[in-house]
Amino acid sequence: GENVEQHPSTLSVQEGDSAVIKCTYSDSASNYFPWYKQELGKRPQLIIDIRSNVGEKKDQRIAVTLNKTAKHFSLHITETQPEDSAVYFCAASIQSGFQKLVFGTGTRLLVSP
Amino acid sequence: DTGVSQDPRHKITKRGQNVTFRCDPISEHNRLYWYRQTLGQGPEFLTYFQNEAQLEKSRLLSDRFSAERPKGSFSTLEIQRTEQGDSAMYLCASSSRERLGVYEQFFGPGTRLTVL
Repeated sequence: GENVEQHPSTLSVQEGDSAVIKCTYSDSASNYFPWYKQELGKRPQLIIDIRSNVGEKKDQRIAVTLNKTAKHFSLHITETQPEDSAVYFCAASIQSGFQKLVFGTGTRLLVSP
Repeated sequence: DTGVSQDPRHKITKRGQNVTFRCDPISEHNRLYWYRQTLGQGPEFLTYFQNEAQLEKSRLLSDRFSAERPKGSFSTLEIQRTEQGDSAMYLCASSSRERLGVYEQFFGPGTRLTVL
């Protein structure tokens, strides 16, 4: 069925280090993969996304890579800062007549100064 | 604020009561989604509207749940005979065609429901 697995569930890094979060998806027809950042008590906010016709996308300190063959995609944050601390969710689109998103279970990132 | 708004932000109710939540999407967004998020989990899809038409409902949505979007603008989600298991954050999102084939979803702040 529709499933997105996300690892790790928690990630602690020192300020300035890199952080990597990995997700795998089950639907080979998935073609859109957004990443959301959710701070405590706030709404999920889109930080970066990638479409299936692209292997990598960068936006300043954030990058996402996609391996369609293996059906996995990853979020890379470089030069982490304390304000990067939040829960990060990956999602994959499921073709259901519309662009339905299935979310991973989230990764709590803690960046220590 | 021109983002997605939801009302109320918090709702505490007793088991068995009915509750209704409202979502106002970003102006002119024709697609609207409801999600449920429990602690430590990602948002789970509940239902989807394109304009005023409800085009899909998740199997998670029991017959106690009903959603409407009467004029293709705001939407309401009603839960009848609430149960403790309904306690969760209810998120609304909206989208429109911004890039070819991609419908970026913008989330509201959510309504946190607590059923006692």
